[in-house]
Amino acid sequence: ETGVTQTPRHLVMGMTNKKSLKCEQHLGHNAMYWYKQSAKKPLELMFVYSLEERVENNSVPSRFSPECPNSSHLFLHLHTLQPEDSALYLCASSQDPGAREQYFGPGTRLTVT
Amino acid sequence: LAKTTQPISMDSYEGQEVNITCSHNNIATNDYITWYQQFPSQGPRFIIQGYKTKVTNEVASLFIPADRKSSTLSLPRVSLSDTAVYYCLVGDKEEYGNKLVFGAGTILRVKS
Repeated sequence: ETGVTQTPRHLVMGMTNKKSLKCEQHLGHNAMYWYKQSAKKPLELMFVYSLEERVENNSVPSRFSPECPNSSHLFLHLHTLQPEDSALYLCASSQDPGAREQYFGPGTRLTVT
Repeated sequence: LAKTTQPISMDSYEGQEVNITCSHNNIATNDYITWYQQFPSQGPRFIIQGYKTKVTNEVASLFIPADRKSSTLSLPRVSLSDTAVYYCLVGDKEEYGNKLVFGAGTILRVKS
């Protein structure tokens, strides 16, 4: 119902693996976001895209690599992650990057072993 | 971005009205107040936002006093399904690449 879908919903990967998280929004929005939510910590904004252009990168380690091929799709490519990267990764979208009303997907629960 | 302070947790019973207050003493002139709800293992969901006085929608009401240094989210007649974390956010609508800065939120537990 949120109009923002994420796949996979759960992912377990080793530290040497390479995987990708996918987000798709069906709302016709122009801005998309990646957030990280670790256990017992507030949501942390990772990346912001506006019309497929990255406008914000909150000092995220290079082992996280975002990709926005069009305004409806957003990927987060993962490689050589650490156990502390285990978290819920949330994708969101909004009509424009200035909007405070963001629509979140259900998240991908990532476990790094 | 204005810092917000909310109670860590609140308990209530079904059918009661719940009021969650958020303090934002250094709110700026252009800042709006936005509330989100988050259920376990789900993404946050927008509830309501306002600038001043009172805003009401089908889910909640938001009360903002004249000095805007605080706001109160009011949930009428809560049910068990309202058990969630509620976040108060304060920020400028015009900020490009708008960052929603989530704090710890308020854990609301509704009991039968």
